[in-house]
Amino acid sequence: NAGVTQTPKFQVLKTGQSMTLQCAQDMNHNSMYWYRQDPGMGLRLIYYSASEGTTDKGEVPNGYNVSRLNKREFSLRLESAAPSQTSVYFCASTRRGGDTGELFFGEGSRLTVL
Amino acid sequence: DAKTTQPNSMESNEEEPVHLPCNHSTISGTDYIHWYRQLPSQGPEYVIHGLTSNVNNRMASLAIAEDRKSSTLILHRATLRDAAVYYCIERNRDDKIIFGKGTRLHILP
Repeated sequence: NAGVTQTPKFQVLKTGQSMTLQCAQDMNHNSMYWYRQDPGMGLRLIYYSASEGTTDKGEVPNGYNVSRLNKREFSLRLESAAPSQTSVYFCASTRRGGDTGELFFGEGSRLTVL
Repeated sequence: DAKTTQPNSMESNEEEPVHLPCNHSTISGTDYIHWYRQLPSQGPEYVIHGLTSNVNNRMASLAIAEDRKSSTLILHRATLRDAAVYYCIERNRDDKIIFGKGTRLHILP
């Protein structure tokens, strides 16, 4: 069972470069999420997608774009990376209609922006 | 934006019970309480959830106050492997899921 798969696991960028973090889930979940976690801090929601074709802003969306390519895949793009975006990024998914559906997380993508 | 409030950190001795509190004073009647934990260098993982009554599973117990404004995650016999950050969150029909800063649990050998 793959669950939630994120790529790449590690990435180093220079300021101003762009990149896309990929996330895929194989659990037929409707809702998908991108969080970031700075050192010693909690998780902050960047964007989420309640269903294929929809995306919504979270707590810290500035500097990011997302695409819900299909039900399985949800990508996060940094158009012009900044050092403040150095963080660990987690993708998560769950059934919609949030009652008992637990969130499943990927292993994280560690991004360093120089 | 987090709707829940937790202590920043707690300590407990190995093999003793641990009670992790969470306040959710604005919770609505249909919101579930979920707990997750994050081990060092890993993504968060589900622990337990409940609505009104107390819940038990193989990992922990969840005690929910009668007025539902607070809850307590209970680890019955803490081990060193339980050292982690524990997050309490509200789950409702809204798909926007916000985490707070959680409680960092230290286990003393």
